[in-house]
Amino acid sequence: AQSVTQLDSQVPVFEEAPVELRCNYSSSVSVYLFWYVQYPNQGLQLLLKYLSGSTLVKGINGFEAEFNKSQTSFHLRKPSVHISDTAEYFCAVSDNAGGTSYGKLTFGQGTILTVHP
Amino acid sequence: KAGVTQTPRYLIKTRGQQVTLSCSPISGHRSVSWYQQTPGQGLQFLFEYFSETQRNKGNFPGRFSGRQFSNSRSEMNVSTLELGDSALYLCASSLDGISTDTQYFGPGTRLTVL
Repeated sequence: AQSVTQLDSQVPVFEEAPVELRCNYSSSVSVYLFWYVQYPNQGLQLLLKYLSGSTLVKGINGFEAEFNKSQTSFHLRKPSVHISDTAEYFCAVSDNAGGTSYGKLTFGQGTILTVHP
Repeated sequence: KAGVTQTPRYLIKTRGQQVTLSCSPISGHRSVSWYQQTPGQGLQFLFEYFSETQRNKGNFPGRFSGRQFSNSRSEMNVSTLELGDSALYLCASSLDGISTDTQYFGPGTRLTVL
């Protein structure tokens, strides 16, 4: 079984400041990692994903994340945030453990990012 | 391509009733997953359907069930509703439901149980 921990439930920042949202995972098998964003009253939108290869992954809206296998982390970063980035962000994992993996993402509890003017 | 659509967007039911939610996946996607989102428990996996067969299920009671049709559209049903079933129910579609697939989410159905 795998689990995902998002270390901060809320992150307030000022506009144009950098931000890092932290995510750690645990799993007994290899995993694939995803970051999703949820705006109020909407579903989840994929920001980026790590499957293999380069550990630095670039996504939409200027976000990027770095996979660190030794620290079992997948932190999300943006060098300069905008008001429109205010939303809830979810880290998620899937694994390749066979039948119990089909269609299943395991999510962290979410981090609410609030960007202040 | 059109995105994942869910109907209805909002539902209000009373305890003991049953409810059916519908999900239409992105064209060409054969896998549909369902999730429950609540403030206390977060996002939890309910089940996944592929080619009209449930391949995977989460840790939910038997009151939660689903099905998938030949056109990949899916429905989920909750019987004997409890207050704790109040939640946002999200469906997601992907090509084949394998671990590397991206899941695309619908806007959700907000269920309120009174």
